[in-house]
Amino acid sequence: DQQVKQNSPSLSVQEGRISILNCDYTNSMFDYFLWYKKYPAEGPTFLISISSIKDKNEDGRFTVFLNKSAKHLSLHIVPSQPGDSAVYFCAAGETSGSRLTFGEGTQLTVNP
Amino acid sequence: EAGVVQSPRYKIIEKKQPVAFWCNPISGHNTLYWYRQNLGQGPELLIRYENEEAVDDSQLPKDRFSAERLKGVDSTLKIQPAELGDSAVYLCASSLSNTGELFFGEGSRLTVL
Repeated sequence: DQQVKQNSPSLSVQEGRISILNCDYTNSMFDYFLWYKKYPAEGPTFLISISSIKDKNEDGRFTVFLNKSAKHLSLHIVPSQPGDSAVYFCAAGETSGSRLTFGEGTQLTVNP
Repeated sequence: EAGVVQSPRYKIIEKKQPVAFWCNPISGHNTLYWYRQNLGQGPELLIRYENEEAVDDSQLPKDRFSAERLKGVDSTLKIQPAELGDSAVYLCASSLSNTGELFFGEGSRLTVL
């Protein structure tokens, strides 16, 4: 039972353009969502989060949008940079600090 | 501030052999997690500790996996005996109890031959 799903295994964009990474979830009890970035041979690092009381959270070039009715969230990166090339994981949890369920990840490649 | 430290980074063993992984979390982080990441998949929780207490071990295959966090600081994850399907990256993470942000170590990559 895949409660958090990232349907796109990979995404390729040009430098300077927008990257949009998508994530869907099935558990309506999830109320906290995070995005992690992972470089090869490193552990995932926290990027940005959003709680279910909001529909948007912005941090510099990164914005996360949450659509609770559709059980969908997305990560926008504008403008994309080659250093953003990494695997991005969506994660969801029921309460802050509890177990996180991760998606399969999306490999983002930003071409110069 | 030092991050989450894991060792070894890489381990190659033959099936049926034992293996152990060690994790030292960020100082002051009461919550410690062990995740397993299979190739092409996201991390999956094996066990979560609040201080020295295992509060969520429902996903830990208890017939061959064990973990401990005796003094509520560093932790060890053991597999005995290892099987071919245990080949994965084992990630340790820690967090302050009241936040959702997990800080991950670099992981221990296990290859079982």
